[in-house]
Amino acid sequence: DAGVIQSPRHEVTEMGQEVTLRCKPISGHDYLFWYRQTMMRGLELLIYFNNNVPIDDSGMPEDRFSAKMPNASFSTLKIQPSEPRDSAVYFCASSGISNSPLHFGNGTRLTVT
Amino acid sequence: AQSVAQPEDQVNVAEGNPLTVKCTYSVSGNPYLFWYVQYPNRGLQFLLKYITGDNLVKGSYGFEAEFNKSQTSFHLKKPSALVSDSALYFCAVRAWNNAGNMLTFGGGTRLMVKP
Repeated sequence: DAGVIQSPRHEVTEMGQEVTLRCKPISGHDYLFWYRQTMMRGLELLIYFNNNVPIDDSGMPEDRFSAKMPNASFSTLKIQPSEPRDSAVYFCASSGISNSPLHFGNGTRLTVT
Repeated sequence: AQSVAQPEDQVNVAEGNPLTVKCTYSVSGNPYLFWYVQYPNRGLQFLLKYITGDNLVKGSYGFEAEFNKSQTSFHLKKPSALVSDSALYFCAVRAWNNAGNMLTFGGGTRLMVKP
């Protein structure tokens, strides 16, 4: 099993540009999560999906952020337009049944200049 | 609401000595509790979990944690620390009646093991 795969590993972009982060969860996992990690705010849950359906997006900072899961093997997190304060490491995680551990990808380090 | 507190930003311990990383939680009802470890430039890795049963839970790499319901704590322990244990450790909680698998993480504790 390759684990949760995120791309790209690093993204540097200018303020105002659109950024798309990608995630491939572990096959067979029903839950997919997007987290953001910063020094100031720690690890924040942005949104999670169950069986490809968004369940809770209350952590999405603002309308500039959107997430989709068109099928069980792919999800995207999009920021449009990006701002310097969006600079962070974004993690995708997946899990099976509801009390099973989360498996994290290695993250995408986003820098917005 | 559910929350986790990790009161120490950093824990320093000498190699070979026992280590403890503290965690307290707050949930409505019974908790599911987890410990994760994060190495530099990597995602979080699962160490161990408490769902029900024995209060002492054993996990990966020789780590264990003790669930204490009266103190609402789930401290991570290891009898003999290794330099390679140096990393960032996160405690996480989910209420048993939370329909999804939405974990709330603590702020993390950096463990430094010195030779």
